[in-house]
Amino acid sequence: EVQLVESGGGLVQSGGSLRLSCAASGFTFGNYGMNWVRRAPGKGLEWVSGITTAGLNRDYADSVQGRFTISRDNSNNTLYLQMNSLRAEDTAIYYCAKANDASGKNFFDYWGQGTLVTVSS
Amino acid sequence: DIQMTQSPSSVSASVGDRVTITCRASQGIRSWLAWYQQKPGKAPKLLIYAASSLQSGVPSRFSGSGSGTDFTLTISSLQPEDFATYYCQQANSFPRTFGQGTKVEIK
Repeated sequence: EVQLVESGGGLVQSGGSLRLSCAASGFTFGNYGMNWVRRAPGKGLEWVSGITTAGLNRDYADSVQGRFTISRDNSNNTLYLQMNSLRAEDTAIYYCAKANDASGKNFFDYWGQGTLVTVSS
Repeated sequence: DIQMTQSPSSVSASVGDRVTITCRASQGIRSWLAWYQQKPGKAPKLLIYAASSLQSGVPSRFSGSGSGTDFTLTISSLQPEDFATYYCQQANSFPRTFGQGTKVEIK
């Protein structure tokens, strides 16, 4: 059974940093791209970042470019999101999401339950 | 960036109704489109990928169609567990973008 378990969320002041983790199990982690998607209170889903299987290609939403860094540790089946210079508008539930294949065009077939990040101003 | 526009933003329907949600991309995305369902307090769930392929385990009352810029999600006979918010998402290019969501409510 595929499982994705996020951790690392919490309350942080504006300008601060957090590192989110996503522990994966039930599939061969290194064979799939991974992503972070967030949902702010009262808003819809927003894709944040994606990383390819070996971590060679990383993409970001314009809203987080230069502040967030996605990475992965295939030996420990874990995805990360380092978030710096946090702003109030980064307040959201952050989900990690597995890509459904290793291609460059893929969809998100499994999601974690999410971790809440609250940025106070 | 590719903008995804869903309509309607919300729909009130009864159990057994046929419900159709549309999604329009600001530029052509061929068939690189997915539909997700999200219920309150839960993670999103993939329903349809590649515009019309049904994800494993998803009931056959859900179907998707379209290509290029115009897409639809149809629920052929609405069930009580289908009341939720639905999102389209393009996978043609980065950044990936979602529609704003369509809330399906009980009439």
